[in-house]
Amino acid sequence: EIVLTQSPGTLSLSPGERATLSCRASQSVSTSYLGWYQHKPGRAPRLLIYGASSRATGIPDRFSGSGSGTDFTLTISRLEPEDSAVYYCQQNGRSFGQGTKVEIK
Amino acid sequence: QVQLVQSGAEVKKPGSSVKVSCTVSGGTFRDYGISWVRQAPGQGLEWLGGFVPLYGTANYGRGWYGRVSFTADGPMTTAHMELRSLRSDDTAVYYCARVVCFDMYYDRCKSTDSWGQGTLVTVSS
Repeated sequence: EIVLTQSPGTLSLSPGERATLSCRASQSVSTSYLGWYQHKPGRAPRLLIYGASSRATGIPDRFSGSGSGTDFTLTISRLEPEDSAVYYCQQNGRSFGQGTKVEIK
Repeated sequence: QVQLVQSGAEVKKPGSSVKVSCTVSGGTFRDYGISWVRQAPGQGLEWLGGFVPLYGTANYGRGWYGRVSFTADGPMTTAHMELRSLRSDDTAVYYCARVVCFDMYYDRCKSTDSWGQGTLVTVSS
């Protein structure tokens, strides 16, 4: 099973700043099957990015994904207060990374 | 608009089983996979497994084979996840999600297009 490792564990940033979240896989993952989710307490996870770089329907363009092989990145270009959440990467509809918590100061 | 509605909260005794249902409105599960995910208190998302109802095939997360099973009804509008031999550390919110997969064995899965609201399962003596 492919293991996904996310870093950092927590990011504490101010509104308007840029957040860069990393997801590293234990073996190569097809870009077609790498996704990013936003998860807030008491709510279902929300798909942000699929296919490593394609935004899901209704996702603001401040969210972007990149990467290939074993290294993937989610970037939030200008943080807003509502972006406070835990972010997960997932491969092939299967295993998740352990998550990165984004806190807005 | 596709929506997934899950069954209500459950309280179970250790050693018993629980069955969580997930019903889709505005569509079916026919051409999709169904993913089951849980979040225990203070923990991250954990993938239990995926099921392709059209073929009756499944793929399981690490350590879940034999303790969890997946089914769907004939019209493929309701999916079920049964977890057996419950322990206190199975206390969690369980989610279903509809997944776009290109393989009958729950592989080459591109994205989820909808999620259930979650079902809290509490295991306590």
